[in-house]
Amino acid sequence: AQSVSQHNHHVILSEAASLELGCNYSYGGTVNLFWYVQYPGQHLQLLLKYFSGDPLVKGIKGFEAEFIKSKFSFNLRKPSVQWSDTAEYFCAVNAASGAGSYQLTFGKGTKLSVIP
Amino acid sequence: KAGVTQTPRYLIKTRGQQVTLSCSPISGHRSVSWYQQTPGQGLQFLFEYFSETQRNKGNFPGRFSGRQFSNSRSEMNVSTLELGDSALYLCASSLADRRGGELFFGEGSRLTVL
Repeated sequence: AQSVSQHNHHVILSEAASLELGCNYSYGGTVNLFWYVQYPGQHLQLLLKYFSGDPLVKGIKGFEAEFIKSKFSFNLRKPSVQWSDTAEYFCAVNAASGAGSYQLTFGKGTKLSVIP
Repeated sequence: KAGVTQTPRYLIKTRGQQVTLSCSPISGHRSVSWYQQTPGQGLQFLFEYFSETQRNKGNFPGRFSGRQFSNSRSEMNVSTLELGDSALYLCASSLADRRGGELFFGEGSRLTVL
């Protein structure tokens, strides 16, 4: 079974600081990778996804992530965070689990607090 | 278009009772998944339904069950509630791209078991 590890439980940054959130997964086969964000009081929404091709993917709101297959990693980055980026961030992995079905395995999340 | 709608948003039950949660997916989405979110365990996959068939099931006891109707609406049921079942239950719908497309989440049903 696949698993996802997010290295940081809580990250606190000042506005304009650079952000990198770590995500490692364990699965030997082909995976699809996702980052979701949950803003305070809102539902989970997709930030970006990787299926294949260029391992550097760009998402909404200036976020990007790099898939490094040899390291089983999919770290999320943003060059300059804003107060509005305060949220909880979840990394997720999808590996095919039979007959067109799939499930997402989520990391436990990283809370980001941005100080104005 | 309307997003994923979950009802009820909040509910309180006592141990031993049972509960049914409802989810209306985005129009045109045929796959509905359910997740349990708790502070300690994060998001854990419960099950996924597609065209009224359960395609995949997570590691939860048989007290957790679900179904999907012909209009893609889904319900999940938890019987004989335990204190540990207190959680936010999230429903997500998808176009069910075989590669594992984007999941669209509802706001969740927050269950408290006393």
